Amino acid sequence: TAGITQAPTSQILAAGRSMTLRCTQDMRHNAMYWYRQDLGLGLRLIHYSNTAGTTGKGEVPDGYSVSRANTDDFPLTLASAVPSQTSVYFCASSQGAGRGETQYFGPGTRLLVL
Amino acid sequence: EDKVVQSPLSLVVHEGDTVTLNCSYEVTNFRSLLWYKQEKKAPTFLFMLTSSGIEKKSGRLSSILDKKELFSILNITATQTGDSAIYLCAVGNSGAGSYQLTFGKGTKLSVIP
Repeated sequence: TAGITQAPTSQILAAGRSMTLRCTQDMRHNAMYWYRQDLGLGLRLIHYSNTAGTTGKGEVPDGYSVSRANTDDFPLTLASAVPSQTSVYFCASSQGAGRGETQYFGPGTRLLVL
Repeated sequence: EDKVVQSPLSLVVHEGDTVTLNCSYEVTNFRSLLWYKQEKKAPTFLFMLTSSGIEKKSGRLSSILDKKELFSILNITATQTGDSAIYLCAVGNSGAGSYQLTFGKGTKLSVIP
């Protein structure tokens, strides 16, 4: 099985443009997460979803939105990108609280906003 | 605010050395502590610890949790160049019906031949 896939692998985006980062998992995990990783700051949670149809805000949600229409997909949208959103973005999933809390990570998307 | 602090931030050792990586935390509603290894791309899972004093072991890696003193250590014996990576500690907490991880900034381990 593929586990978690993310697309694109990398992207250069002009400031002010919108973009959707895609994340798909084939493990039938209930919970999914989006993190950004920046040098010196570590991994920080942007948004999460405990189950299809629900989403919640993490530590750094401003400028990002998510949706969870089904179990497998959890896209992250930047409505109007700014240079401070330059980062590496990781999607993760887990079985869900009370059933399996280990999070498994996708390969990441490297985003440069100019 | 939940906090996870790892030390040292970076470490350079020779092949064959033994290393100990530290992780201390302040988290409300503690559920678990996880260690990950990150090489060039995604973090990969190593251990999850939920109970104090019970060592988890996988090959040359082992880890233990102290819930009274709020810390964990990750030991790597007989280090190899392939152990070079960033090691991340994360603490899971539950609140408002959700489970989330708070990550430390990581320890960058470099193993030289």
